[in-house]
Amino acid sequence: AQSVSQHNHHVILSEAASLELGCNYSYGGTVNLFWYVQYPGQHLQLLLKYFSGDPLVKGIKGFEAEFIKSKFSFNLRKPSVQWSDTAEYFCAVNANSGGYQKVTFGTGTKLQVIP
Amino acid sequence: DAMVIQNPRYQVTQFGKPVTLSCSQTLNHNVMYWYQQKSSQAPKLLFHYYDKDFNNEADTPDNFQSRRPNTSFCFLDIRSPGLGDAAMYLCATSRAAGPSADTQYFGPGTRLTVL
Repeated sequence: AQSVSQHNHHVILSEAASLELGCNYSYGGTVNLFWYVQYPGQHLQLLLKYFSGDPLVKGIKGFEAEFIKSKFSFNLRKPSVQWSDTAEYFCAVNANSGGYQKVTFGTGTKLQVIP
Repeated sequence: DAMVIQNPRYQVTQFGKPVTLSCSQTLNHNVMYWYQQKSSQAPKLLFHYYDKDFNNEADTPDNFQSRRPNTSFCFLDIRSPGLGDAAMYLCATSRAAGPSADTQYFGPGTRLTVL
């Protein structure tokens, strides 16, 4: 069965600092990879995704993520965070499980950006 | 706007008293999911419907049931809620195939309290 690990549970940054959130997954086959974001009081929404092609994926609001197959990683990055990026970030993997596509989420990373 | 709607947003029930949570979607997506999310944990998939086909996760307790009377609606029934069932319940939808298949669109969630 696939699993997703997010090693940073809580990250605190000052505005303009650079961000990198780690995500590692375990699954031997083909995967689709996602980052979802949940802003305070709002529902989960898609930030970016990787299905195939260029392993460097650009998403909304200046976020990007790089798929490194050899490391089973899909880390999220942003060069300069803003206060409005304060949210919880979930990495997710979609893979074939028992004959159907199943999405597995990581435990999430809470990002707090200090003005 | 097309969206995933969950009602109610907050639900309080008594220990052992059956409760039903509702989800509707205007996206006309084939697949609908129910997740349970406890504090500081990953959303945990309970089950999903692919059109009318019901797919239960192996570790979902029998206490949890679901109904999908039509494409737009899906219900989560908890037959005898225990204190451990207090959580946020998330509904999500996705297309079955084609561009952006597997990207999930989430509702705002229903927070269930069990007294």
